[in-house]
Amino acid sequence: GNSVTQMEGPVTLSEEAFLTINCTYTATGYPSLFWYVQYPGEGLQLLLKATKADDKGSNKGFEATYRKETTSFHLEKGSVQVSDSAVYFCALSGGSSSNTGKLIFGQGTTLQVKP
Amino acid sequence: DAMVIQNPRYQVTQFGKPVTLSCSQTLNHNVMYWYQQKSSQAPKLLFHYYDKDFNNEADTPDNFQSRRPNTSFCFLDIRSPGLGDAAMYLCATSRVFPGTGVGATQYFGPGTRLLVL
Repeated sequence: GNSVTQMEGPVTLSEEAFLTINCTYTATGYPSLFWYVQYPGEGLQLLLKATKADDKGSNKGFEATYRKETTSFHLEKGSVQVSDSAVYFCALSGGSSSNTGKLIFGQGTTLQVKP
Repeated sequence: DAMVIQNPRYQVTQFGKPVTLSCSQTLNHNVMYWYQQKSSQAPKLLFHYYDKDFNNEADTPDNFQSRRPNTSFCFLDIRSPGLGDAAMYLCATSRVFPGTGVGATQYFGPGTRLLVL
C-alpha cells in the first residue's frame, strides 16, 4: 500500500540556517504530494503541494520538488526563522482511480529554531 | 474567507458522558473527514463522508459515530468517552472528483481539544 516516510526529529537549528526535511514515498500511479505545517495548539495548514513529477511547490520561502525517479519530496528553506518552529507533515493523496481524497501522512518532523 | 470551522476549540467532558464536536465548512466541498491526533503524532483518520456516503476506517472504535446532515456540517459523536479518547480532533474537507485519481487537497479546521475527566 501507499506510505510516506519522513526523517525523524526533532530538528534543531539556529536562526538563518538552511533547512532540509527529507520525505520519501511509496505509491501506485501518480499521487499528489503535500507538506502541511502544524503550529502548537493549531490545526494543520497546507504549506505547499505538487501534483505531478518535476513540479516545484513553494510558499513562504519553503520549497519542495516532486522527484518521481527518487520517489522523494524533500522540504527546504534557505534561512529559517524562530517563527518556523512547528511540526511538519509530508503527505500524499490520490494516484489511483479509487481515489477518495484520503491522505497518507508521514510521522511528522518537529522543527525547533533557536535565536 | 472560505474556511473550515470547528466548535468548540476546547471541550471538557466527564468519563462516560456523551459529547458532540461540530464542524462546518463554507468551501462547498463534497468530502469531509474526521481525524484524531495525539501529541505531535500524525493525524489518524477515523472516518469520512463522500457526499452522503459514510466511510468508516476499519480500526475506528464503535464508540465514535458521525453525522452529516447537509453539505456544510458534520458532527463527531463520542458515545462514552474514556480517558484514552483525550486528544485533538481535526475536521478537514476536500473537493474530490470521482474516478480521476487526482489527489485532492485537504483543508483543515483549527481542531477541538478534548479533555476527559
